[in-house]
Amino acid sequence: QKEVEQDPGPLSVPEGAIVSLNCTYSNSAFQYFMWYRQYSRKGPELLMYTYSSGNKEDGRFTAQVDKSSKYISLFIRDSQPSDSATYLCAMRDLSGGYNKLIFGAGTRLAVHP
Amino acid sequence: DTGVSQNPRHKITKRGQNVTFRCDPISEHNRLYWYRQTLGQGPEFLTYFQNEAQLEKSRLLSDRFSAERPKGSFSTLEIQRTEQGDSAMYLCASSYSQGELAKNIQYFGAGTRLSVL
Repeated sequence: QKEVEQDPGPLSVPEGAIVSLNCTYSNSAFQYFMWYRQYSRKGPELLMYTYSSGNKEDGRFTAQVDKSSKYISLFIRDSQPSDSATYLCAMRDLSGGYNKLIFGAGTRLAVHP
Repeated sequence: DTGVSQNPRHKITKRGQNVTFRCDPISEHNRLYWYRQTLGQGPEFLTYFQNEAQLEKSRLLSDRFSAERPKGSFSTLEIQRTEQGDSAMYLCASSYSQGELAKNIQYFGAGTRLSVL
């Protein structure tokens, strides 16, 4: 079983929809949680970064962390065709003292006009 | 600051050949990471440098793989005797360590796509 589970999709939604992306994890040592966006043939780009349980909002994006359930979410409001990309959740494993990131497999999102 | 730069963007090689990739991190970033990403998967950690010291290596990094970061600036990743299973996107990331671990955000380059024929 992978340390981070993420539904690969693809997820197809109409423009303007609210998108919900989710990851679950098994390792309690994960302390920092990130969402990256990756366009085709590009490197991952950081979208959101959270530490504690709760919500963090940035524009149309909201990241939610529930450490007790080992579950994180990314919500995208008023989705746009330009949001079409693969969304990767990532977590920092501090057990070794460094900040190696453990990624989910990514969810492919398509927003159609 | 132009971000993390990786070269070449795409490398096609025959099985058994050696290949070398280069990563130029964001200037003044003291930490540099290599990841490998295969189709439909998230990036997997390979190795990590703080300045010129290689501090951690994944078991994914077989003896055919070697990474260096001379003088703590750019880094190279070499794969010897390439195999078809080495075909993947090789991503480099860099970060700047500060007092609070929370601020060590990793910024990724566009990657080098390796195709082993």
